[in-house]
Amino acid sequence: SYVLTQPPSVSVAPGKTARITCGGNNFRSKSVHWYQQKPGQAPVLVIYYDSDRPSGIPERFSGSNSGNTATLTISRVEAGDEADYYCQVWDSTSDHPWVFGGGTKLTVL
Amino acid sequence: EVQLVESGGVVVQPGGSLRLSCAASGFTFDDYSMHWVRQAPGKGLEWVSFISWNDGSTYYADSVKGRFTISRDNSKNSLYLQMNSLRTEDTALYYCAADLGGGYFDYWGQGTLVTVSS
Repeated sequence: SYVLTQPPSVSVAPGKTARITCGGNNFRSKSVHWYQQKPGQAPVLVIYYDSDRPSGIPERFSGSNSGNTATLTISRVEAGDEADYYCQVWDSTSDHPWVFGGGTKLTVL
Repeated sequence: EVQLVESGGVVVQPGGSLRLSCAASGFTFDDYSMHWVRQAPGKGLEWVSFISWNDGSTYYADSVKGRFTISRDNSKNSLYLQMNSLRTEDTALYYCAADLGGGYFDYWGQGTLVTVSS
C-alpha cells in the first residue's frame, strides 16, 4: 500500500517559518491534504488539494507539491501553532485508498 | 454549526463486540460519504473504514477487514461501526469524519474511546 513519510519532529522559533515535509511516490499524480491536531483535540483540515485553504484557516498556512515531496509551510509561527501535523492522500488504485503520514510534531521554541 | 458526535466507546474484553455510533448535524448528511479513523494512544491517525453517500459501497483497512462493519442510516443522520472479535490492538480513540468527495476529511467528531483489555 501507499506510504507517506514525515519527519517525526520540527522545531521553530516564534515569528519564523516552519516547513513540514511529506514524502511519497509519484506525488504529481496525487493531491495532498494536511491536518492539524492540537493536544486533546480532533484533527482539523488546514490544506486540501495541495495548496487550498478551508474557510477560517489563516493565510499563514500554505502548501505545495512537487516531485515526490509535499510541503506544509507555516509563516510567522505562533505559539498556538504547536501541534501534530498529518499529511494524507487518496490513492485511487488501492483497496484502502485513504492514507495518512506518520505525523510531525511541531514545537515552537 | 457542523457537529459529529461519536458514542459507544467502552472497555471490552478481547474477543468481544461493540457498536459505535456517530450522530451528524449542521450539514446535509446524505451528500457526504463517511469514514471512521482511529488513533491509538500516543500514535498517529489510521484510516479504518469508508461508506459512500449514494450506493453504500464500503472499504476497510486490512487490519479490520472481516471483523468490522460500517453502515449508515440517512433517515437518522447517523453512522455506525460494528466491531467484532476485538483485539487489544484495536484500543484507540475512534473518530467519525465526513467527506464531500474530494478524498479528504472535511469534518471530524471529537472521538469515542475504545479500550480492549482483560
